[in-house]
Amino acid sequence: EAGVVQSPRYKIIEKKQPVAFWCNPISGHNTLYWYRQNLGQGPELLIRYENEEAVDDSQLPKDRFSAERLKGVDSTLKIQPAELGDSAVYLCASSLESGRARETQYFGPGTRLLVL
Amino acid sequence: SQQGEEDPQALSIQEGENATMNCSYKTSINNLQWYRQNSGRGLVHLILIRSNEREKHSGRLRVTLDTSKKSSSLLITASRAADTASYFCATDEGGSYIPTFGRGTSLIVHP
Repeated sequence: EAGVVQSPRYKIIEKKQPVAFWCNPISGHNTLYWYRQNLGQGPELLIRYENEEAVDDSQLPKDRFSAERLKGVDSTLKIQPAELGDSAVYLCASSLESGRARETQYFGPGTRLLVL
Repeated sequence: SQQGEEDPQALSIQEGENATMNCSYKTSINNLQWYRQNSGRGLVHLILIRSNEREKHSGRLRVTLDTSKKSSSLLITASRAADTASYFCATDEGGSYIPTFGRGTSLIVHP
């Protein structure tokens, strides 16, 4: 079974440029998560999708970050414009479902972003 | 905000020794999970322990949970060089069922 796929694996951009990350969750997983992980820290949730609906985006900086999950399958996270402080690893995870039947999250390898 | 906090921040041991990492949290939880992250890679789920459980085992891993002390421990027995990684605990702040990760414990196992 294929795991969570993310691309690109690495991205270097100059500040004020836009950047986009793509995630394809495990087939059949309804719930998709985007996390940001700063160096030496644990992942912090940015947004959670149940199918195509964003159900938890309170930590997403909405002035510059946007996300979508069309058709409830793969997802894109965008930053426009990027700032120096956005340098981090962006992790995507998926699970069968979240909610009261707690499910294990499966993480992708992440996209390492460096903003210069 | 980070709910779980791992201790120690870093741990260095010899192959064959046991490694113990602790996690403390602040609010009530439904469950607690431990993850491993190898350098430059995504997180791998190790164990989930529910709030009504006290101990779980998986191979060389043993997790305990003490809800009265709001703490959990992860024990890796007979460690191997391949166990070198960062270990994170993740708790769900009561009712949310969304895991909140700590800063992790960096484990180095010397061959």
